[in-house]
Amino acid sequence: GNSVTQMEGPVTLSEEAFLTINCTYTATGYPSLFWYVQYPGEGLQLLLKATKADDKGSNKGFEATYRKETTSFHLEKGSVQVSDSAVYFCALRTGNTGKLIFGQGTTLQVKP
Amino acid sequence: GAVVSQHPSRVICKSGTSVKIECRSLDFQATTMFWYRQFPKKSLMLMATSNEGSKATYEQGVEKDKFLINHASLTLSTLTVTSAHPEDSSFYICSARDDREHSPLHFGNGTRLTVT
Repeated sequence: GNSVTQMEGPVTLSEEAFLTINCTYTATGYPSLFWYVQYPGEGLQLLLKATKADDKGSNKGFEATYRKETTSFHLEKGSVQVSDSAVYFCALRTGNTGKLIFGQGTTLQVKP
Repeated sequence: GAVVSQHPSRVICKSGTSVKIECRSLDFQATTMFWYRQFPKKSLMLMATSNEGSKATYEQGVEKDKFLINHASLTLSTLTVTSAHPEDSSFYICSARDDREHSPLHFGNGTRLTVT
């Protein structure tokens, strides 16, 4: 079946450090891939997405490239800020139902 | 931007009682809404797909008689946890798909249910 695997957290970084959160997936067909962010006490917000192989999603300095050959969608940011502290979820969607399958989430803590 | 309101944000109930959670799309119509359950340090697990005007579609392993879903209008879906038990304590999150868009989904802020 379809699944998403993320690196376990928490990830603790100093401000301005480089961030990578790994995400790999298993899916039939050609899924769309997403990163969602959940700030403390809030709901999930879409951070970025990619709908086909080699697409790069980007937003707020975050980037992720849809790599079909490695079934990966790693999230990166060149210089993190304290305000980036949150839980990040990788997710995939197949078909047109709108159903999302999430990874387990990775907590990012950025220290000043 | 699109807003999904989920209510209540926190609820504590006694074992054996029922609890209703509401999910409203405030500025768009949503024929389809989704209910997720989030376990501590674990992923969001899709429980069911809520369809306006028809029965919900439940994921494998989710008891439909335990988790009643009603989607009576294009802006409101409700999840009722019936005869709650302590193991039902969890964080429940709804999401709604704007009928005008193919994606993305808009999420509510979640409901923390504690059953004592």
